[in-house]
This record gives sequence, C-alpha cells and structure tokens, in this order.
Amino acid sequence: EAQLVESGGGLIQPGGSLRLSCAASGFIVSRNYMSWVRQAPGKGLEWVSVIYSGGNTYYADSVKGRFTISRDNSKNTLYLQMNSLRAEDTAVYYCGLGEASIADYWGQGTLVTVSS
Amino acid sequence: QSVLTQPPSASGTPGQRVTISCSGSSSNIGSNYVSWYQHLPGTAPKLLIYRNNQRPSGVPDRFSGSKSGTSASLAISGLRSEDEADYYCAAWDDSLSGPWVFGGGTKLTVL
Repeated sequence: EAQLVESGGGLIQPGGSLRLSCAASGFIVSRNYMSWVRQAPGKGLEWVSVIYSGGNTYYADSVKGRFTISRDNSKNTLYLQMNSLRAEDTAVYYCGLGEASIADYWGQGTLVTVSS
Repeated sequence: QSVLTQPPSASGTPGQRVTISCSGSSSNIGSNYVSWYQHLPGTAPKLLIYRNNQRPSGVPDRFSGSKSGTSASLAISGLRSEDEADYYCAAWDDSLSGPWVFGGGTKLTVL
C-alpha cells in the first residue's frame, strides 16, 4: 500500500526559504502525479502544486513564482522548495498521490510556521 | 473565498441521513469529476468518493456521491458519531485559477 511521509517543516522568518520532502513507498513517484495541499490554521484545504508523470508542473496563483515542486526518482521522493515565505504560508503541508483524484493517498503533514 | 461553495456546517443525529452540497461552475464541476474527502484535524485527509460517485475500497456504502450540472452532493446515511469531521469537495478546473480546486469545507456535527 502507498505510504507518504512528509518532513522539513519548522519555524522560519518571513522572506526565508524551506524545502519540504515527501518520502514515498509502495509505489513509484515518477509514474504518478503528486500534489502538495496545505491547510492554514482555522482554514480549509488549499491545493498548492502538482507534478505529473511527464514532468509538467502547475501552481496555485498564491505560490506561483515562489514555490517549486520537484522529485528525485532515485530517492522516490517529492519536494516542495518554498522561497520568499510569507506569514500567510503558515500551514500544515500535505503531499498526496493522485490516481483518480487530487490525492487518493495522503501523508500526515508537516507544519510550516512563518513568523519573526 | 473558495472556487467551490459548500455550506460551512451540517448536522444530524445518529442514524439519520445528511447531505452536503458543493456548487461550482462549468469550468470545474460542470465538465470534470468531483471527489470528496473526510478530514479530522491533525490527521491525513481520506478519500471518500472519486469520479463523482465511486468509492475506494474500504469506504462504507453509507457514503455516496452524485453530480448534476455544476453541483455535486455527498450523502451520508446511517449517521454515526465517528462521521463527525470536516468534508471537502474537489474538482479539476479548466480555467486559469489552477488545475485543482477545493470547496471551503463543511463541518459535520453528529448531535
């Protein structure tokens, strides 16, 4: 069965950078589409980014130009490079494996707090 | 403000049937599949319904989905206390707002 484990979250100052990782097992990351979804405190789920098996990537307007999604096939791991972080980026970030929806399987999430 | 519109809250008593609506537009629900997720704070979201009305293995048949035009619904029958959670609809969106969009979520309370 597919398993996803996120890491890399933490406290970061505004304007800083952080890279999230999502280690996958039970499937091959490069053969599927993978997404990042976040949930800010007291808010709903927000789709952030997706990378397709062919390598095409898409971003929500709120993160376009600041976040980069990528994967390392040798490590079967998904990444989210986050630059120029803002207070409104504070959220729990989930990675998800998509087969028939945005994410059929989800990780437990990693908390990113942007604050001075 | 979310692209897909859900009621912020819903409630029911054990054994009842409740329905949660999700309203969109021709660029998302009107022309693409809808999926539904159950989310308990602090845990991983769980896929309940995909492709409008399909259940992944392991999801009880108490959960059902439907779609008509630019709206979709999630129905939960035989309501149980463990169904108390947040529920989100989602769909692919053909417009420039992004490939995927979520509803704002509905907090279901089991009275």
